[in-house]
Amino acid sequence: KAGVTQTPRYLIKTRGQQVTLSCSPISGHRSVSWYQQTPGQGLQFLFEYFSETQRNKGNFPGRFSGRQFSNSRSEMNVSTLELGDSALYLCASRAVTNEKLFFGSGTQLSVL
Amino acid sequence: AQSVSQHNHHVILSEAASLELGCNYSYGGTVNLFWYVQYPGQHLQLLLKYFSGDPLVKGIKGFEAEFIKSKFSFNLRKPSVQWSDTAEYFCAVNDRAGNTPLVFGKGTRLSVIA
Repeated sequence: KAGVTQTPRYLIKTRGQQVTLSCSPISGHRSVSWYQQTPGQGLQFLFEYFSETQRNKGNFPGRFSGRQFSNSRSEMNVSTLELGDSALYLCASRAVTNEKLFFGSGTQLSVL
Repeated sequence: AQSVSQHNHHVILSEAASLELGCNYSYGGTVNLFWYVQYPGQHLQLLLKYFSGDPLVKGIKGFEAEFIKSKFSFNLRKPSVQWSDTAEYFCAVNDRAGNTPLVFGKGTRLSVIA
C-alpha cells in the first residue's frame, strides 16, 4: 500500500507570491490533515478535511486555505507569501477518527 | 483547548544510557495520547499510542510510555538507547470524544553519542 505522497518535495518562492501544495492520502483514507513544522515550534495544525469538508481549522490567517477532492486528494494554498511562511508543510491521513495519522515526507517551502 | 508541553528541548545521551522524555498535556476530558518519532531525513512515524486500558504501553524499538492520569503525563522511556535512536520525538494528544485534531508538543531532539 503506497504511503502519503506530497508534491513537490521542495519549493522556493519569493514574498508576495502564492503557492499550492498537493497531498495524496493512503488509499481508503478519507481524512487529510495539514501541519506546519518549524524548528522550535514543532507541528502546528493548519486544517483537516474529511470527505471534502473542512472539519477543523487551526489558528492561521486566511492566507492559508485548503480543499479536498472527491478522490480524497488534498491541496493547500498559501497566498501573499511572507518570509515567516518558510517551513516544512506536512500532510497526514487517517482512515477513521481517533486512529493514528500517517505522515508524508512533507514539502519544504522557502520564501525569499 | 488542548495543549502539550515537552519539557526538554534537546537531550544528549551516551549509548546504553536510559532515556525518559517528559510530556504533559492540558485537557480535562478523555484523551488519546501518542508519541511520534522523526528520524533525520525521514517522515514522522508512530512510536506508540494510548487509547485506554493498561496505562503502560509498549511501542516499537523497545520504547514504552506510561500514562499517569493524575499528573496529566505521558512520559516516554527506553532502558538503553542506541545511536540509531537519534531523532526528534513528539508527544501528541487529541480528544477521544470528538473529531478534534491531533495537537503536538514542540518536540524533543535526542542526540545519542557513542
